[in-house]
Amino acid sequence: QKEVEQDPGPLSVPEGAIVSLNCTYSNSAFQYFMWYRQYSRKGPELLMYTYSSGNKEDGRFTAQVDKSSKYISLFIRDSQPSDSATYLCAFKRGTNAGKSTFGDGTTLTVKP
Amino acid sequence: DTGVSQDPRHKITKRGQNVTFRCDPISEHNRLYWYRQTLGQGPEFLTYFQNEAQLEKSRLLSDRFSAERPKGSFSTLEIQRTEQGDSAMYLCASSPDPSETVGNYNEQFFGPGTRLTVL
Repeated sequence: QKEVEQDPGPLSVPEGAIVSLNCTYSNSAFQYFMWYRQYSRKGPELLMYTYSSGNKEDGRFTAQVDKSSKYISLFIRDSQPSDSATYLCAFKRGTNAGKSTFGDGTTLTVKP
Repeated sequence: DTGVSQDPRHKITKRGQNVTFRCDPISEHNRLYWYRQTLGQGPEFLTYFQNEAQLEKSRLLSDRFSAERPKGSFSTLEIQRTEQGDSAMYLCASSPDPSETVGNYNEQFFGPGTRLTVL
């Protein structure tokens, strides 16, 4: 069983829709929960990170972490065509950890 | 402001050949990471350095793979006797030390990757 499972997609939504992206994980040691966006032929870029449980909001993006269920989500409000990309969840054990463990990504297309 | 750079961007080689990739991190970052990403999958951790010390290696990093960061600046990743299964995007990232960041979270900044094709 993989440490991280990400809803595979692909996902296609009309402009303005609310998008929900989700991951589950099995490693209780994870303390940092991240979402990256990756455009085609580019490296991933960090969108948001959360430490421990709870919600975090940044503009149109909201990240939620439920450690009891080992479940994280990213919500995108008022989605735009420029949001079209692959979204990767990622996890890290602690402050000093080097390794990040990534999901396999969900490809999102927002149609104008 | 220069980000993480990788060279070459693309490499095509024949099975059995050796290849070497270079990564130049953001200059003030003392941590450097290598990941491998195949089509339809997320990046898989290979190894990371703090300054010139290699602190962690994945089991994915077989004997054919070696990484160095001799002066704590740029890094090289060498693959010997390449196999078709080595075809992938090789991503490099850098970050500051956690103790030097607000809230102790050290964001990893990724380069554009080197795409390797083994024929």
